[in-house]
Amino acid sequence: AQKITQTQPGMFVQEKEAVTLDCTYDTSDPSYGLFWYKQPSSGEMIFLIYQGSYDQQNATEGRYSLNFQKARKSANLVISASQLGDSAMYFCAMRESFNFGNEKLTFGTGTRLTIIP
Amino acid sequence: DAGVIQSPRHEVTEMGQEVTLRCKPISGHNSLFWYRQTMMRGLELLIYFNNNVPIDDSGMPEDRFSAKMPNASFSTLKIQPSEPRDSAVYFCASSLTGGISDTQYFGPGTRLTVL
Repeated sequence: AQKITQTQPGMFVQEKEAVTLDCTYDTSDPSYGLFWYKQPSSGEMIFLIYQGSYDQQNATEGRYSLNFQKARKSANLVISASQLGDSAMYFCAMRESFNFGNEKLTFGTGTRLTIIP
Repeated sequence: DAGVIQSPRHEVTEMGQEVTLRCKPISGHNSLFWYRQTMMRGLELLIYFNNNVPIDDSGMPEDRFSAKMPNASFSTLKIQPSEPRDSAVYFCASSLTGGISDTQYFGPGTRLTVL
């Protein structure tokens, strides 16, 4: 089974609108971390936001927020007031604690977001 | 602060040649990761070092691939001999400790083309 599922291969959004990128995950570990990365066309991987499984509040970083619904095992990224520079691939990733000593990230397949002027 | 540094940024080589990719992690980071990204397979973890010791190399595709971390500030990924199917972008990433909440910071990547 896929550990991280991103069901939207591509999205087109009008500039200045909010956008939600979906991410669901699969783990039996009670302690885990969820990450979102942005990969613009230039290729680098840029860390955006982190959510811990025990965090009581949804994470926020500027225009980015994470809609964390633990019971549904979803960790959707919300970008408010989208900008042309938000056009990029977005990856959701998870780290599980039972891999203690081997805390590798598992990445989803990504969503390509295109902002339309 | 300098981020993760990778060299070269682009490498074009012929099948059968040896390729060496280099990485300098962020100073003070104890964990280092090598990833490969292709259209077909997405982002795959190849190998993970913690305190210069390889912890998990289960992602290394075959014996043609090897990685070393002789000290805390340098790592190499070597492919010998290279094959066209090795063409990909190779990323190096580092993190402070490797714990649950520890963010991995990626280098700019090396785009490898094997002809």
